Amino acid sequence: SQTIHQWPATLVQPVGSPLSLECTVEGTSNPNLYWYRQAAGRGLQLLFYSVGIGQISSEVPQNLSASRPQDRQFILSSKKLLLSDSGFYLCAWRQTGGNYGYTFGSGTRLTVV
Amino acid sequence: AQSVSQHNHHVILSEAASLELGCNYSYGGTVNLFWYVQYPGQHLQLLLKYFSGDPLVKGIKGFEAEFIKSKFSFNLRKPSVQWSDTAEYFCAVTNAGKSTFGDGTTLTVKP
Repeated sequence: SQTIHQWPATLVQPVGSPLSLECTVEGTSNPNLYWYRQAAGRGLQLLFYSVGIGQISSEVPQNLSASRPQDRQFILSSKKLLLSDSGFYLCAWRQTGGNYGYTFGSGTRLTVV
Repeated sequence: AQSVSQHNHHVILSEAASLELGCNYSYGGTVNLFWYVQYPGQHLQLLLKYFSGDPLVKGIKGFEAEFIKSKFSFNLRKPSVQWSDTAEYFCAVTNAGKSTFGDGTTLTVKP
């Protein structure tokens, strides 16, 4: 069966420090991968998505970047965090083609101080 | 760009009451529609989905949703809620492989 792993679960980082959040999927190949940010009382905002290795589409220009170095690995990064980067980050995957919903990871609560 | 609107931010019901959560979307083309649920302390998970065919779709735990194309709506319903349905519910619209989510509706069911 397919599983998705996202870590760390919580992270407190100072302003100006770098960020690296990792997401991996097991049990499938060539998944579509997504990073979302969920703000309290708001919906999920799509940040990045990827349909294959090295292919990244950015939805919202901001202080973050994403990379997909391997088929089932998706990384969210920042060189210098801002206070406004605080939030709850969710990784998700879905099968390529067909009509499938997302499977979400457990999320990372990032607090920038 | 497509958008999704969930009209109720917080709904409070007593057990056995009927539930209907509204969801409207803006995109006029072919879309896939979803409802996700997030129980306290748990992951977001898929509740039900619509792609084509019968506009009334049934999901897990007795939930159903009706796609009304003319109204751009995909409302979620349950005839009789339980305390365990307390959760946050998100409507989502997918087009070209990307999903746009509503702001979510928090449902509190009082025992």
